[in-house]
Amino acid sequence: DGGITQSPKYLFRKEGQNVTLSCEQNLNHDAMYWYRQDPGQGLRLIYYSQIVNDFQKGDIAEGYSVSREKKESFPLTVTSAQKNPTAFYLCASSPVRGYEQYFGPGTRLTVT
Amino acid sequence: AQSVTQLGSHVSVSEGALVLLRCNYSSSVPPYLFWYVQYPNQGLQLLLKYTTGATLVKGINGFEAEFKKSETSFHLTKPSAHMSDAAEYFCAVRLNTGNQFYFGTGTSLTVIP
Repeated sequence: DGGITQSPKYLFRKEGQNVTLSCEQNLNHDAMYWYRQDPGQGLRLIYYSQIVNDFQKGDIAEGYSVSREKKESFPLTVTSAQKNPTAFYLCASSPVRGYEQYFGPGTRLTVT
Repeated sequence: AQSVTQLGSHVSVSEGALVLLRCNYSSSVPPYLFWYVQYPNQGLQLLLKYTTGATLVKGINGFEAEFKKSETSFHLTKPSAHMSDAAEYFCAVRLNTGNQFYFGTGTSLTVIP
């Protein structure tokens, strides 16, 4: 089955630690995205990538980093510089010549 | 910058009643328009989309939406609410140039038995 996988579903970290969230897709989509979701704030774009080895900052990129070494993979690292990292993180992809985005199941990160 | 406004962060309807969730966008050029649904602790699932052509679009689970260019609106409706419709609903737009999407802040739908 084609789709987007995010792992793990739940992630717990201590403050001051970097953590990497995984996102893999087998839809052969060129574009991939990372969003952060907080209650009452909808989805906020962290980073997006339209092609391998290229990515752009979204609205809230500070404290996050990404890489796009393979078309299928777009991992997100939440660094210790991110002041409020506890949130629900969603990965998405879309075909360049398509219309909608397809979403993964999300990773809930809790930092204490 | 693009903006997407969803009026009403919380909407409650009785089971069997009409569901109406409102969405307005700011683009002067008709964008591509989407409604997504999200159940707790899950990703977003596409309900329906408008790209071109017929302005009334039908989606999954009995939902439909009408694109009204003059009102820059794309409201979501369902004639009869079901308990399983209780979820968070997001309106989104994508300009027909570029790959960025813009989301509303969501509307939480409660269905009262």
